[in-house]
Amino acid sequence: AQSVTQLGSHVSVSEGALVLLRCNYSSSVPPYLFWYVQYPNQGLQLLLKYTSAATLVKGINGFEAEFKKSETSFHLTKPSAHMSDAAEYFCAVSERGTASKLTFGTGTRLQVTL
Amino acid sequence: GAGVSQSPRYKVAKRGQDVALRCDPISGHVSLFWYQQALGQGPEFLTYFQNEAQLDKSGLPSDRFFAERPEGSVSTLKIQRTQQEDSAVYLCASSYPGSSYEQYFGPGTRLTVT
Repeated sequence: AQSVTQLGSHVSVSEGALVLLRCNYSSSVPPYLFWYVQYPNQGLQLLLKYTSAATLVKGINGFEAEFKKSETSFHLTKPSAHMSDAAEYFCAVSERGTASKLTFGTGTRLQVTL
Repeated sequence: GAGVSQSPRYKVAKRGQDVALRCDPISGHVSLFWYQQALGQGPEFLTYFQNEAQLDKSGLPSDRFFAERPEGSVSTLKIQRTQQEDSAVYLCASSYPGSSYEQYFGPGTRLTVT
């Protein structure tokens, strides 16, 4: 069975500071990995995905994530936080190759302060 | 183009009532997923359709939950005899073959059972 662990349910950063949201996965086979963002009262929006091409994946809004197989990690980073980045972020894993359900972490709420 | 739409956006039901939640996927999307998101949690998989066939219903929490997609497009999630623990946001997502089966999410239906 696949699972995802997100360390830190709440992260607070200053505007302009580095954003680092942690995600570790467990999977018996190499998975697909995703980061989604959720704004209040809205659905999930895909930030980026890893599907076995480059291990460093660039997404929307300046976010990127690096797949590290040895560490079973897929941490999300952004060099400089903006107030508009304040939201809930979810890491998710799915099986490769087929339309497959997503298994989500419990989420990390990002707060950006002035 | 139009995204995934869900209706109603908000639903209040008295305990014991039946409810029906609707999902309109993106046109041409073969796969459709339902997820349940409890307050403060990540979404959890309920069921999956490929066209009109329900291929996985392992996440449905009880036999009070029923989903259908009779013509391979619109889907309805029905909950019979609602209980307070059914209160959650119900998210629908659709995807198409290719693009690593990226799932596009609707805004969700927030169900409150009183």
